[in-house]
Amino acid sequence: QVQLVESGGGVVQPGRSLRLSCAASGFTLSNYGMHWVRQAPGKGLEWVAVISYDGSNKFYADSVRGRFTISRDNSKNTLYLQMNSLKTEDTAVYYCAKPHITMNDPLDQWGQGTLVTVSS
Amino acid sequence: IVMTQSPATLSVSPGERATLSCRASQSISSNLAWYQQKPGQAPRLLIYGASTRATGIPARFSGSGSGTEFTLTISSLQSEDFAVYYCQQNNLWPTFGQGTKLEIK
Repeated sequence: QVQLVESGGGVVQPGRSLRLSCAASGFTLSNYGMHWVRQAPGKGLEWVAVISYDGSNKFYADSVRGRFTISRDNSKNTLYLQMNSLKTEDTAVYYCAKPHITMNDPLDQWGQGTLVTVSS
Repeated sequence: IVMTQSPATLSVSPGERATLSCRASQSISSNLAWYQQKPGQAPRLLIYGASTRATGIPARFSGSGSGTEFTLTISSLQSEDFAVYYCQQNNLWPTFGQGTKLEIK
C-alpha cells in the first residue's frame, strides 16, 4: 500500500536551516508530482510547495519562496524540503502528500507528518 | 484564491445531518476537495471534483456545488465523523479553508 514517511524535524533556532525527507513506497514516485503542506500548532493547513514528477518544475507559497527549496531523488524514492533562514512562524507539522493523479489534483495520500519547532 | 468555510464550529447530535459550507473568492469550477482531520492524524481526502467520493469513503458523505459555493453534507452522523473538515481549491496551487470543527451536541 502507499506509504509516505517524513523525517528530519526537530528544534532549530531562528535563522538556521533544516532538511526534511519523505520516503515513499507502494507506488512509483517518479510518476507523480509531490507536495509539502504544513500545519502550525492548533491552526489550519497551509500549502508549502510542489515539485513536478521529474523535478523540472517547482512552485512555492509566498510565505516560503526564496527560503525553502523542494527537491526529489526518484532513484531513492525520496522527496526533500530544504528550509533555510527559518522563522518562528515556520513552526508546524510538515506533511508530504501525493496528488490523486496530476500535480494539480487533490491530495489523496499523506504522511504522518514531522514537527519542526523554530525557537531560540 | 481565498477559501472561506462556515461555520467555524458546528454542533450536531449523532444520527442527525451536518451541512458544511465553503466559499471561494473567485470561480474555481468544480476544482474543490474536502478533507477530514482527526486530532493527531493527517488529513484524509473525502471528496474531490466537488462531488466525487474518494476511495473507501462512505456514502453518507456527499459534496455539491460549483463556481464559488460548495457544500459538504454528512447524513446520519456517526461517532467517528466528529472531526475538523477542510475544503481546498485545486484550480491553481492549493489553498485551504480555515476549517470547520464538527462537534458532538
